[in-house]
Amino acid sequence: QMQLQESGPGLVKPSETLSLTCDVSGSSISSDYYWGWIRQPPGKGLEWIASMFHSGSTYYNPSLQSRVAISVDTSRNQFSLRLTSVTAADTAVYFCASSPIRFYGSGKFWDGRFDYWGQGTLVPVSS
Amino acid sequence: DIQMTQSPSTLSASVGDRVSITCRASQSVSAWLAWYQQKPGKAPTLLIYQASSLKSGVPSRFSGSGSGTEFTLTISSLQPDDFATYFCQHYNTYSPTFGQGTKVEIK
Repeated sequence: QMQLQESGPGLVKPSETLSLTCDVSGSSISSDYYWGWIRQPPGKGLEWIASMFHSGSTYYNPSLQSRVAISVDTSRNQFSLRLTSVTAADTAVYFCASSPIRFYGSGKFWDGRFDYWGQGTLVPVSS
Repeated sequence: DIQMTQSPSTLSASVGDRVSITCRASQSVSAWLAWYQQKPGKAPTLLIYQASSLKSGVPSRFSGSGSGTEFTLTISSLQPDDFATYFCQHYNTYSPTFGQGTKVEIK
């Protein structure tokens, strides 16, 4: 069974860059899954941030696109998130998650549901 | 972005009750709709995908229905383990969005 585990700093200062990593076990990151990030501010709802296939196909939330980068490291079987110029509004629990693929003809497309989730990591933004 | 609106925001019910949660989309999402359960301090878990398909291992008391802009999650007989918050999520476009959540609490 696939398992995902987030890691990152316990605290980020305003205007700095938030960096998180998700370690994948039980599956190769080069397999037919999209790898993504979702966040949840304390006491609030869920917001999708970005998703990526190991071959490079990438999707970003339009509201965050200018500040976000997602990447995959096949040698370490992990993927990462970078969010620049953070403010207090970026304080949230950040989850990594995987999505399956849809097959149409010879093409592979992102099926945007999230089948497996990490436990989440709280990242406060504060000076 | 497509907006997802759930109702009610909070639902009070007793063990054994049949409960339903509604999710409305601001435009058609076809059947590309998922439901998740989240317990305090935990990650969401997928219950239903493609509007009505039950994820393997999820109890059969959970069911989903609907298409287009209106969807329903039904729990046929509420169990103690079901008191949690439920979220819908569309994935009809490459910019998925979630509903605001429905908290199911003990009456």
